[in-house]
Order: sequence, then structure tokens, then C-alpha cells
Amino acid sequence: EPEVTQTPSHQVTQMGQEVILRCVPISNHLYFYWYRQILGQKVEFLVSFYNNEISEKSEIFDDQFSVERPDGSNFTLKIRSTKLEDSAMYFCASSESRGRNTEAFFGQGTRLTVV
Amino acid sequence: EDQVTQSPEALRLQEGESSSLNCSYTVSGLRGLFWYRQDPGKGPEFLFTLYSAGEEKEKERLKATLTKKESFLHITAPKPEDSATYLCAVQAHDYKLSFGAGTTVTVRA
Repeated sequence: EPEVTQTPSHQVTQMGQEVILRCVPISNHLYFYWYRQILGQKVEFLVSFYNNEISEKSEIFDDQFSVERPDGSNFTLKIRSTKLEDSAMYFCASSESRGRNTEAFFGQGTRLTVV
Repeated sequence: EDQVTQSPEALRLQEGESSSLNCSYTVSGLRGLFWYRQDPGKGPEFLFTLYSAGEEKEKERLKATLTKKESFLHITAPKPEDSATYLCAVQAHDYKLSFGAGTTVTVRA
């Protein structure tokens, strides 16, 4: 069964460093998303991406964040200068369309720990 | 602002003891209500989408229903492998998912 894959599964980084989280969405999906979940809190929307540009973004997705689809398969989230409060699980998701089949399928997540 | 409230926060069940989880929501222009299952340290696993009041979906021991203000996830004769956190999310006009905090279900053998 097709699935969203994320790498790495766990990333530890020093405060102020840049990190890139990588995702391979399901191959025939056109819409891509990043969500995050701080330990013990709700899953929160960060950004959606379609046709090589950002469709929507939340207030959390400020200038330190960026997304890119560098090739036909990968979708990345870059955090330019990490802060302690960026520590969270980051989930990539993809969906086939925005019509009736709008369910988003999630990857297993990258646990980011900023020290 | 879209609001999703799930109750109870935690539910402990004996194997075979059926129960229901509640998801109440306020959203302008509901496009869909989604149920996901999340195991510890894992990503949300899609279960159901409901689009309009009165709609019902079933999968094994799970059944989801939708009204104009809330959704229920019924677990019939649960087994220990049904232990997980069940997340409800609503999708509005902007297509983003707004999640509830989840209900953690523990099923004891």
C-alpha cells in the first residue's frame, strides 16, 4: 500500500542550526502538507503546497520556515535557525485532490529535538 | 476560528465493552470531518471521512456518525489492539485540518 515516508525519524540539533526534514509523498498525490505536534499537544497545521507554491500557511509558519519540492518526488521543510520551542514531531501529509477524496495521509513523522 | 473538542480525554475499557467517543465542532463551511487513529510516536492513520449530517461509515469494530454539531466514533466489542489515541479533525473552506486533542482509548484484556 502506498505510504508517505519521512526521513530522518529522529533529528537532534543545536539551537540556531538549520535543519531540513524530508518527505516523499504518495506518488499520484498533488497536495502536500506539513503539520507539527508538540509533545502532549494537538496536531497543528503549518503549511500546504500545490503546484510548486504555498497554498495556505498558519501563523506558526513564519520567516524561519520554508518548503520546497526540489524534484519530482521529495518535499522538504527547512527551519533556518532552530529554537528550543521548535522541538516537536513534524508530520508530512499528502492528498490526491481537494475534491471528494480529500483525505490526507500522514507519514510516521520526524521527531525534532533542539538542544 | 474553527474549534474541535473531543471527549472524554481518556477512556479505559474492558475487552468487549462497547463505548462511544465524541467530537463536537464549530466551523464555518464544513467541507469534511475526519477521524484518525494515532499510536504512540507514530503519525495519524486515516480512518474515515464524513461529509454531511446523517452520514455513517463503518470499518471493522468502528463506526463513525455525523450531525450538524458533532460526530461520534462508536467502538463495538473492542479488542486490546484498538488501544490508541483517536483524533477528530475538521476541514473548512481553506482545506487545512484543525485537530482536536484526541481521546486515548485503553482496552484491557
